Amino acid sequence: SSELTQDPAVSVALGQTVRITCQGDSLRSYYASWYQQKPGQAPVLVIYGKNNRPSGIPDRFSGSSSGNTASLTITGAQAEDEADYYCNSRDSSGNLVVFGGGTKLTVL
Amino acid sequence: QVQLQESGPGLVKPSQTLSLTCTVSGGSISSGGYYWSWIRQHPGKGLEWIGYIYYSGSTYYNPSLKSRVTISVDTSKNQFSLKLSSVTAADTAVYYCARDINYYDSSGLVDAFDIWGQGTMVTVSS
Repeated sequence: SSELTQDPAVSVALGQTVRITCQGDSLRSYYASWYQQKPGQAPVLVIYGKNNRPSGIPDRFSGSSSGNTASLTITGAQAEDEADYYCNSRDSSGNLVVFGGGTKLTVL
Repeated sequence: QVQLQESGPGLVKPSQTLSLTCTVSGGSISSGGYYWSWIRQHPGKGLEWIGYIYYSGSTYYNPSLKSRVTISVDTSKNQFSLKLSSVTAADTAVYYCARDINYYDSSGLVDAFDIWGQGTMVTVSS
């Protein structure tokens, strides 16, 4: 399968913890990466590999995986975390790239 | 610090070929361990991977676009390019170029788009 499935929308109260999930058969074999995109801006990588954060990404962002599901967790969500979040990985062949449909995160 | 910048026409007529170039600055496109990708985003929609190229010229394309897409690299100019033929209004989108880091850790393949261009809006209209 070459599909990654995300919930279209998730909300979290300010300061609380939220988990955004990404499901797909290929995630049993390949890591997911996670991107944050704010309106009018290019996506920004926030998590890659097992649980790696690029320089400048706050440590409240973390990643995990189990079976066919990858998760992005924001511990203590801030107002500036309100954005669209996309997961991506490889398809089952390993040669092609796939993206999830994106999750719109609202911080209440 | 590596930066990517897209360039090309913002308006393309239906049935014509969309051509964009991504210029890489602050690093060499010939550095191993990276693929160089094109990704697009239709207005108000999600991200769609178009394809990528390695500096050696190896390419992989999204099967849904493969018949119309060509990605090429010019290492002397530190650029890579996208050509999308026979465009229609459905190809109207923001087009991003991105660097794809690619390596193996103890558990498997690590693969992610770590650097993105700012994106360029391309409208297909007569």
